[in-house]
Amino acid sequence: DSGVTQTPKHLITATGQRVTLRCSPRSGDLSVYWYQQSLDQGLQFLIQYYNGEERAKGNILERFSAQQFPDLHSELNLSSLELGDSALYFCASSSLSSGANVLTFGAGSRLTVL
Amino acid sequence: AQSVAQPEDQVNVAEGNPLTVKCTYSVSGNPYLFWYVQYPNRGLQFLLKYITGDNLVKGSYGFEAEFNKSQTSFHLKKPSALVSDSALYFCAVRDIDRDKIIFGKGTRLHILP
Repeated sequence: DSGVTQTPKHLITATGQRVTLRCSPRSGDLSVYWYQQSLDQGLQFLIQYYNGEERAKGNILERFSAQQFPDLHSELNLSSLELGDSALYFCASSSLSSGANVLTFGAGSRLTVL
Repeated sequence: AQSVAQPEDQVNVAEGNPLTVKCTYSVSGNPYLFWYVQYPNRGLQFLLKYITGDNLVKGSYGFEAEFNKSQTSFHLKKPSALVSDSALYFCAVRDIDRDKIIFGKGTRLHILP
């Protein structure tokens, strides 16, 4: 157990729907990262939050949004889902005090869009 | 922007032989480089990192990586491969935007018994 908790582990939904993926970072970590892993695109950085504030943005679609709450858990919202959104979504956390951004990953949420 | 490239999609090595998984990088400034491993149905796990100092970095599970500035490479190595090393390996670099970590596409390592 890495200490980073992601729910749900698996999610099957239909095109056009909206889903929310949840992440609880490792205790003491203030920073949360979201990544999308697909077979053809590899591991793509989506977005990062630090202590509730957005710090970095990657290739995140406008249909996707995220936030980090005061208790430091984070949610990734995916809307108007398309078949191509089917992927494994990872959350990772880090303690930036480490100075080198070592990430601790959760086990991922596998999203299947039918 | 910073980037890393893993030129091999798959590497096959016989058990007991040395292994190398290749990574090259493109950065402006001093690179912060990482290796992570992903086992089936698991999240990525940190193996090792290079920030500064000794060009040979030792990490978890007997892995090490050699930083070569002139060749802009950061290859992952292990002297004697185990079947249990079979997994997906990712090289990563900290982006110029310091809060972003960029990953390569991954190299699948198969250790043959």
